[in-house]
Formats: sequence, structure tokens, C-alpha cells
Amino acid sequence: AQSVSQHNHHVILSEAASLELGCNYSYGGTVNLFWYVQYPGQHLQLLLKYFSGDPLVKGIKGFEAEFIKSKFSFNLRKPSVQWSDTAEYFCAVRDDYKLSFGAGTTVTVRA
Amino acid sequence: NAGVMQNPRHLVRRRGQEARLRCSPMKGHSHVYWYRQLPEEGLKFMVYLQKENIIDESGMPKERFSAEFPKEGPSILRIQQVVRGDSAAYFCASSPVREETQYFGPGTRLLVL
Repeated sequence: AQSVSQHNHHVILSEAASLELGCNYSYGGTVNLFWYVQYPGQHLQLLLKYFSGDPLVKGIKGFEAEFIKSKFSFNLRKPSVQWSDTAEYFCAVRDDYKLSFGAGTTVTVRA
Repeated sequence: NAGVMQNPRHLVRRRGQEARLRCSPMKGHSHVYWYRQLPEEGLKFMVYLQKENIIDESGMPKERFSAEFPKEGPSILRIQQVVRGDSAAYFCASSPVREETQYFGPGTRLLVL
């Protein structure tokens, strides 16, 4: 089964700073990759996904992620964060129907 | 179109009691997945069901845990004789077909005293 590692447990930023969250998965082949976000008190929402095609994927709320096959990575980025981006972010890899999640990164944006 | 619904949102049980967690998938979705999130960890796959069938329960503990998705009504995750280690957030997700994106419910936070 896939394992997913997220590099940072907790990130603290000021508004307008750039954000990059790392994600690596354990082995190659055809993978479907996802970033989910969980705002305080809410359920997981899909930010973006990669199935195939252009490795630079644009998601909602100004987020994007880049799939680098040679590095088994799918890092999430946002050029300029807002206070409302405070949340927990999960990277996930789908192997057939099973999603394997990273431990999550808590992002705190200071106003 | 309502999203995935889970209830209750919070559930407190004493050791030895039973916990029943319910999940109603999105309209048109016939594939349901349950995941568990322990403190400080990511979500872990438990079980995958289609209507009236358990497809894969490899992530579910062999004892005390069971899941069903009847022809009518929500999917149920049942935990018998709960122990403190069962305290976690339990998330349900659904998809229209197995290859498609899974959409998550708000989760049920189970606390075992």
C-alpha cells in the first residue's frame, strides 16, 4: 500500500506570504493524487486533484499543485495566503479505490 | 444537491457500549468508504461498500467492528463493546463510481470514556 509523507506538521505564516506544502508518496506507477483541506469545524473538501495530463494542476481558492513523477512528489502552493486559509491540509494518493493520506499539515495564517 | 451526511457529529460512549455511526452518501452515489482518523494522524481506510455488498474491509479491525450499506437507508458503521482506543474521528466518503473522486462528510467524533 502507498504511504504518504507530508513534510511539515505545522506552518505559521503572515497574510500575503507564499505557501508551499510538501507531499511525497512511496511508489510509482499510475497514481491519482489529491489535496484536501479541512477548515476548523468543517469536513474535508477537495482542493485539487491530478489524474493525468498537465502536471501543474490548478484548484480552488488560488491553490495549485505540481506533480513531479521522478520525485514522487505533489507539492501544494499558493502565492499569497489569506487569513481564511487557516486550516489543515491533507495530501492523498489513490491506489485503485483506497485513499492513503498523509498526517496533515496545520496552516495558521496570522492577520 | 446535499453533500455527504453523517450523524451524529459527536458521540460519547462509555467503555463496553455500542456505537452506531450513520452515513448518507451524496445523491446518485452508490459507493461508500469509511475512514478513521486517530489524533495526530492522517485518515486511514477502513472499509469500502456498495449497496448491499462489502467490497473491501481490509482496514477494519476483525473484532467488534462491522459495516453495512443496505438497499434502503444509510450506511452504518457499528462498533461493539467500545474501548478507549476507539476514540477517533470517523469519516465517510462517497463516489458515483469507484474510479471517481471521493467526497467526504463532516465526520463523527467518537469519544469513549
